[in-house]
Amino acid sequence: GENVEQHPSTLSVQEGDSAVIKCTYSDSASNYFPWYKQELGKRPQLIIDIRSNVGEKKDQRIAVTLNKTAKHFSLHITETQPEDSAVYFCAASSRGAQKLVFGQGTRLTINP
Amino acid sequence: NAGVMQNPRHLVRRRGQEARLRCSPMKGHSHVYWYRQLPEEGLKFMVYLQKENIIDESGMPKERFSAEFPKEGPSILRIQQVVRGDSAAYFCASSPRGSSYEQYFGPGTRLTVT
Repeated sequence: GENVEQHPSTLSVQEGDSAVIKCTYSDSASNYFPWYKQELGKRPQLIIDIRSNVGEKKDQRIAVTLNKTAKHFSLHITETQPEDSAVYFCAASSRGAQKLVFGQGTRLTINP
Repeated sequence: NAGVMQNPRHLVRRRGQEARLRCSPMKGHSHVYWYRQLPEEGLKFMVYLQKENIIDESGMPKERFSAEFPKEGPSILRIQQVVRGDSAAYFCASSPRGSSYEQYFGPGTRLTVT
């Protein structure tokens, strides 16, 4: 089955700097890659997703890139702000599958 | 349009008791997924249901755990004879279609077994 590895487990950046979180997946049939943000004690919230027919997607300060050959995808947050502090999870899913397979999470801290 | 609802938000059970967790999907969504999150870990898929049908229960423990999504009412995740290792946050998600796309999560139920 699918396996998703996420790095780093913790990340601390200065406010205004960029943050990058990387994930690798094992199943070459995977074609959907969402990112979720989870604040302490709250629900995971979908912040951006990408499908395998595109290599990059942007939404304001957030972007996701996908390299299908290498089977990895990354989340990029630019101009970080204190409210970006949270745990971020990547996930993957294969065509026809209903379940999401999540990475272990990255705790992002933005230092003022 | 109300989001995914879960109740209770917090549940404390003694070892050996039963836990019932409820999930009402978003309006217009007929597909429900349950995930479990252990402390400091990612979410792990448990089961996927449509109305009156279990589609995929590959992530469910073989014993003590069951799930249903009746024609009327919320989806229910039931844990019998709880043990300390069942302590976790249980999230449900719903989607308008039977796929992994656009799964929206509820606020979760935090189960504590004492």
